[in-house]
Amino acid sequence: DGGITQSPKYLFRKEGQNVTLSCEQNLNHDAMYWYRQDPGQGLRLIYYSQIVNDFQKGDIAEGYSVSREKKESFPLTVTSAQKNPTAFYLCASNSGTALQPQHFGDGTRLSIL
Amino acid sequence: GEDVEQSLFLSVREGDSSVINCTYTDSSSTYLYWYKQEPGAGLQLLTYIFSNMDMKQDQRLTVLLNKKDKHLSLRIADTQTGDSAIYFCAESLMTTDSWGKLQFGAGTQVVVTP
Repeated sequence: DGGITQSPKYLFRKEGQNVTLSCEQNLNHDAMYWYRQDPGQGLRLIYYSQIVNDFQKGDIAEGYSVSREKKESFPLTVTSAQKNPTAFYLCASNSGTALQPQHFGDGTRLSIL
Repeated sequence: GEDVEQSLFLSVREGDSSVINCTYTDSSSTYLYWYKQEPGAGLQLLTYIFSNMDMKQDQRLTVLLNKKDKHLSLRIADTQTGDSAIYFCAESLMTTDSWGKLQFGAGTQVVVTP
């Protein structure tokens, strides 16, 4: 079954710590995306990548970093510079044009210890 | 502008029809999407429509688009308890600067009562 796998499902961060959220897809999609979801709000775009070894900042990139070394993988690091990291993080992918729907993983919930 | 607005809450009785409304502001040709999110889960694509269409029907789901008023609606016929979820409207922007970008509404919490 093709899909998007996010791990872990729950993650806890200590003060001053960087944490990395995993996103893997086996849909052969070119484009991958990271969103942040806060209660009562829509999704906000953190970073996106249209192709391997390239990525662009979204609307709320400060305090986050990404890499795209492989087509199927797009990990997100929440750095200590992100002062309010508690949120639900969603990864998505599509075939790489604005015309194609994005498909989502099941999310990672990040909390502060 | 890039704003998508939805009402925040809808209560519906089981077996009735649900109608979830959404307005958007960008006038470019675009795709408009409806996603469903159950508690603690990711977003599930329900259906989508291109902005040159008026209507799309898929089993119990009917999407209506009024391009003049920039108004989109999702009708769920014979609503079931399994339809309780948050429903997000999203607009896909086709401009070069917004390549593949989805602009989401805040979501409508639908509660189905027996």
